[in-house]
Amino acid sequence: SAVISQKPSRDICQRGTSLTIQCQVDSQVTMMFWYRQQPGQSLTLIATANQGSEATYESGFVIDKFPISRPNLTFSTLTVSNMSPEDSSIYLCSVGSEQGETQYFGPGTRLLVL
Amino acid sequence: GENVEQHPSTLSVQEGDSAVIKCTYSDSASNYFPWYKQELGKRPQLIIDIRSNVGEKKDQRIAVTLNKTAKHFSLHITETQPEDSAVYFCAAWDSSYKLIFGSGTRLLVRP
Repeated sequence: SAVISQKPSRDICQRGTSLTIQCQVDSQVTMMFWYRQQPGQSLTLIATANQGSEATYESGFVIDKFPISRPNLTFSTLTVSNMSPEDSSIYLCSVGSEQGETQYFGPGTRLLVL
Repeated sequence: GENVEQHPSTLSVQEGDSAVIKCTYSDSASNYFPWYKQELGKRPQLIIDIRSNVGEKKDQRIAVTLNKTAKHFSLHITETQPEDSAVYFCAAWDSSYKLIFGSGTRLLVRP
């Protein structure tokens, strides 16, 4: 499977600021996804990152709060904007098979907002 | 949309015993069901998966069964070892091309 890296691995941020998380894959992939995992909880899909077009967001997540870029088939970024303590979570990117269903996760970015 | 329910939320077994985790799904069009293992502080790792045209799949000590009629699938771990202790998530790939995750099961294997 592909090697997936994320930067930063963790960060502590002040409320009202923004953080951009990077996801890098060592091979070209069609499907990339961003998830949030709140402390002690399951994984929730934020959006599907589409190469060459806007991301597709899930209910409860909006582009102004979580802008996503996908400039090529090996890289994506997720920005958490105007952060509040409720945004404290682990953010994970994943890459999928051709149809997207078989997914492998990056190591995650642990975010704490004070 | 798809809804995946997972039980139990916690499971404690003696080393060497078997563990079973069960999930139900609501979207009859869902056709792919993976299981992930997440150790503390680590990423979710895909450990086994099953497609809707198969009733059972085994990989060494782990197996997954699928009952399409009842819309439920289960993870079976035999001869459990302390390193099996982790949180396990089931998921379903639904008709809108998304993975929907269950709420997770925290498995503790007592030595």
